[in-house]
Amino acid sequence: DIQMTQSPSSLSAPVGDRVTLTCQASQDIRICLNWYQQKPGKAPKLLIYDASTLETGVPSRFSGGGSGTDFSLTITSLQPEDIATYYCQQCDNLPLTFGGGTKVEIK
Amino acid sequence: QVQLVESGGGVVQPGRSLRLSCTASGFSFSSFGMYWVRQAPGKGLEWVAIISYDGNNKYYADSVRGRSTVSRDNSKNTLNLQLNSLTSEDAAVYYCARDGKDCSRSTCYLGHQYKYSMDVWGKGTTVAVSS
Repeated sequence: DIQMTQSPSSLSAPVGDRVTLTCQASQDIRICLNWYQQKPGKAPKLLIYDASTLETGVPSRFSGGGSGTDFSLTITSLQPEDIATYYCQQCDNLPLTFGGGTKVEIK
Repeated sequence: QVQLVESGGGVVQPGRSLRLSCTASGFSFSSFGMYWVRQAPGKGLEWVAIISYDGNNKYYADSVRGRSTVSRDNSKNTLNLQLNSLTSEDAAVYYCARDGKDCSRSTCYLGHQYKYSMDVWGKGTTVAVSS
């Protein structure tokens, strides 16, 4: 199985800051990487697929990058509504696996 | 609007069975692969099962393989998950989700039926396991 490791496990930053979350795969997954946002008490929401393609309706302050084993999710200007846990998920092979999540809070 | 609504959760005794359902609306259900994903209390997301748009292909996570069955009824826009021999490890919120590949717009054949991204999610149904 492909292991997905996210870092940091949590972060706190002021409104307006640029924040970067990382996700590492245990083997080469090309660009088969999705990012989800889960707000407290809610279902996850797809933000980015194929490592860097923004899902329709997702604000442009979110961006994704990377390929192979190393990936990133960047929020260029953190907003209060971005408080959530973010999960990466590899889409290269079954079983589909998620990272452990990064919890983002406002400082 | 595009919507998925799960049902069937509740409190179940260890060793018993449970059947979860997910009703889809607002899109062509029979054109999309579907998932079950679960989340134990305070934990991350775990993929459970996937079923192809036509129901002919199914895959399961190791944690449920052999004691669970995913099925769908395209005439009723319904996805199901039968879970047997439940343990405390199965206690979680269970979400159904839609695969990102529309097989009415793309060619879908064995090995190329899924995008493996989950673009629509239900709100989830909670399963608790307790004696």
